[in-house]
Amino acid sequence: ILNVEQSPQSLHVQEGDSTNFTCSFPSSNFYALHWYRWETAKSPEALFVMTLNGDEKKKGRISATLNTKEGYSYLYIKGSQPEDSATYLCAFKGRGGGSEKLVFGKGTKLTVNP
Amino acid sequence: GAVVSQHPSRVICKSGTSVKIECRSLDFQATTMFWYRQFPKQSLMLMATSNEGSKATYEQGVEKDKFLINHASLTLSTLTVTSAHPEDSSFYICSAQDRGLPYEQYFGPGTRLTVT
Repeated sequence: ILNVEQSPQSLHVQEGDSTNFTCSFPSSNFYALHWYRWETAKSPEALFVMTLNGDEKKKGRISATLNTKEGYSYLYIKGSQPEDSATYLCAFKGRGGGSEKLVFGKGTKLTVNP
Repeated sequence: GAVVSQHPSRVICKSGTSVKIECRSLDFQATTMFWYRQFPKQSLMLMATSNEGSKATYEQGVEKDKFLINHASLTLSTLTVTSAHPEDSSFYICSAQDRGLPYEQYFGPGTRLTVT
């Protein structure tokens, strides 16, 4: 059974703080790592799809890095704003039979206090 | 772009009845759609993969006769929970894969099912 772990489970920060959280995934048969942002009562929104070891992607104040050899990805938010409050999900996609299947972590719930 | 709608957003039904949930890709064609379920404090768990025009592939432990999936067109997949029981109460969410962008999965907003 594939295991995708996210930490911390939840996080409270003040507006303006920078923060980061972790996604751990199997280091074998890696195909892609997805990050999603999920606000309450909305659809999960795709942030990044990362495929290459050493990848670093950025979208505004949010960036992510990928280490496939050791099986982890970090998501960074610079200068957090209240609108960044959401649950951040990572999902691992393996190579091989059923490669379209995403295996999700439980998410990190971020609350940014004004 | 890449919007997926899901209907209904919330449903309450009595034990023993069936409930149908629709998932639509609004502005793209989805050859593959996925159905997930999330129990409280748990991760999204894939239930089945639905391919247009063919039978769905169910994950281990998911009863295909209880969770009927139909993917009759490139923009619509339905999940029917048959003879629902309280233990089927959960959050059900679909995603659709744009056949032009196979890396991406776009999610609907989900359906909260409560079986009384």
